[in-house]
Amino acid sequence: GNSVTQMEGPVTLSEEAFLTINCTYTATGYPSLFWYVQYPGEGLQLLLKATKADDKGSNKGFEATYRKETTSFHLEKGSVQVSDSAVYFCALSGEWGAQKLVFGQGTRLTINP
Amino acid sequence: DTAVSQTPKYLVTQMGNDKSIKCEQNLGHDTMYWYKQDSKKFLKIMFSYNNKELIINETVPNRFSPKSPDKAHLNLHINSLELGDSAVYFCASSQGPRQETQYFGPGTRLLVL
Repeated sequence: GNSVTQMEGPVTLSEEAFLTINCTYTATGYPSLFWYVQYPGEGLQLLLKATKADDKGSNKGFEATYRKETTSFHLEKGSVQVSDSAVYFCALSGEWGAQKLVFGQGTRLTINP
Repeated sequence: DTAVSQTPKYLVTQMGNDKSIKCEQNLGHDTMYWYKQDSKKFLKIMFSYNNKELIINETVPNRFSPKSPDKAHLNLHINSLELGDSAVYFCASSQGPRQETQYFGPGTRLLVL
């Protein structure tokens, strides 16, 4: 079945550091890929998405590129801020639609000033 | 204006009790979901309703019964609560069953003692 694997956390960085959170997936067909973010005490929010191979999703300085050849969707940000501290979830939905979002295990990110 | 709201935010109860969690969305969406997030932050879908009709029912114990009185509401009733039911439960909605962006509520933290 479909699955998502994220790099294990927690990840701790200093402000203005470069961020990469790895995400790889296993899926049949051509899934859409997502990054969701969960700030402390809140629900998940969609951060960015990509719906086909080589698409790049971007939002709030974060980027991720849909790489079909490596089945990856790594999240990157050039210069992180303390306010980026949160749990980040990679997810996919199958070509049958978004009825089932399959999530990775989440990566907790802490940014120190 | 809260898009997806859940009540209560916190729920502490004894084993064996019956409890309900309510969810409402004011986005005009047709599809709603319940997810369970365990203590390790792993997030998994439980149910999905589209226009009050059940369309996804993952392998969830019969003690969990979703109810959708109208398409803006999806409540979750849990009978005979067990220790393992302790988790954060998230409600979400999307425009339709094949719309890829899901909007999440703030979560209900359930603790069974």
